[in-house]
Amino acid sequence: DTGVSQDPRHKITKRGQNVTFRCDPISEHNRLYWYRQTLGQGPEFLTYFQNEAQLEKSRLLSDRFSAERPKGSFSTLEIQRTEQGDSAMYLCASSLVAGIDGYTFGSGTRLTVV
Amino acid sequence: GENVEQHPSTLSVQEGDSAVIKCTYSDSASNYFPWYKQELGKRPQLIIDIRSNVGEKKDQRIAVTLNKTAKHFSLHITETQPEDSAVYFCAASNMNRDDKIIFGKGTRLHILP
Repeated sequence: DTGVSQDPRHKITKRGQNVTFRCDPISEHNRLYWYRQTLGQGPEFLTYFQNEAQLEKSRLLSDRFSAERPKGSFSTLEIQRTEQGDSAMYLCASSLVAGIDGYTFGSGTRLTVV
Repeated sequence: GENVEQHPSTLSVQEGDSAVIKCTYSDSASNYFPWYKQELGKRPQLIIDIRSNVGEKKDQRIAVTLNKTAKHFSLHITETQPEDSAVYFCAASNMNRDDKIIFGKGTRLHILP
């Protein structure tokens, strides 16, 4: 599969626990994006990387959220001390630089905080 | 920053009829406008896009129009079919700034038999 892969597909965690998600982009794509999508809403931008550099973080991203892309390939998104409001679908997308022809999204990780 | 408004939030049309979804954007520097389709439980998928140097683009039953002056763009689906039922998102970006894509809140399209 040469698309964008995300792992896990589903995660149920107790409030206060830490969780980490992984995204493997399309190999030739320099850009990697994280979005969050709640029910009935469009994807909300969280952060993005060009190669290993994190270029922008949304104000939506509290200090409990951290993302890395250490070698410019896969990325991880960690949420510390999860809250019920963190429950959402976390989508990863990748693109060539400048977002030509839009993004290719992964299938997402659905997080449920109980 | 960019803000994208989309309406209607829900749209029901008879099979075979046309559907129109409208969006507005706030940043006049935005120059790339993709549309995504998301079926239940699946990832958003790019279905068509338009750049600011053209006013209209068509791909089979789908067309997009762009009015830069009014900062409006629209998706038109003709001869709708049951498989067109999904959530559609418009989005905007500034490719000159190498910028992220900002999405609207989506339109749930129901195709009625």
